[in-house]
Amino acid sequence: EIVLTQSPGTLSLSPGERVTLSCRASESVSSSYLAWYQQKPGQAPRLLIYGASSRATGIPDRFSGSGSGTDFTLTISRLEPEDFAVYYCQHYGSSPPYTFGQGTKLEIK
Amino acid sequence: QLQLQESGPGLVKPSQTLSLTCTVSGGSISSGSYYWSWIRQPAGKGLEWIGRIYSSGSTNYNPSLKSRVTISVDTSKNQFSLKLSSVTAADTAVYYCARTDVMPDLDWFDPWGQGTLVTVSS
Repeated sequence: EIVLTQSPGTLSLSPGERVTLSCRASESVSSSYLAWYQQKPGQAPRLLIYGASSRATGIPDRFSGSGSGTDFTLTISRLEPEDFAVYYCQHYGSSPPYTFGQGTKLEIK
Repeated sequence: QLQLQESGPGLVKPSQTLSLTCTVSGGSISSGSYYWSWIRQPAGKGLEWIGRIYSSGSTNYNPSLKSRVTISVDTSKNQFSLKLSSVTAADTAVYYCARTDVMPDLDWFDPWGQGTLVTVSS
């Protein structure tokens, strides 16, 4: 079972800033089967990125994903007020159980 | 547009069985192209995958919960259900249902239901 470690746990930033979130896997993730989700308070997670770098339908292009092997990143080029949320990475494409990272919280500075 | 909606009791007593249903609308649960999963999230904590079911009734469970979990499907009602037995306060969480594709390279969770809070308390 692959363990995903996200860092940092919390980030305090201002709107307009650029941010990069990290997700590190305990072993190599085959074919970049890595997804990112955004979760706002009281809401279900929403798919942002799949295949490590492909944006889901309707996701603004300020969100981008990259990485391969064991190291993946989610970048938000210019933070909007609605981007302050918790972000989770998830490995897929292999036998269950599915696992998620523990999350990174983006908060307004 | 596919939508998922969880329903069930919001309060369950310790040692009893938690029962939830996910109703799928805007698409058929029998399409054969998807798995249907349950995921939970304790307050302020991360996401834990509970298990999944295929329209045929084939299931996979998280080993950490396997002894207490049963997931079933009712294709006539376009629903799938979760039963978690012998609950304790540690099972208090928001429970989500979600869909994944059967193809490994498309196997992410999308869409999700809105979630339902289940509290275990006497």
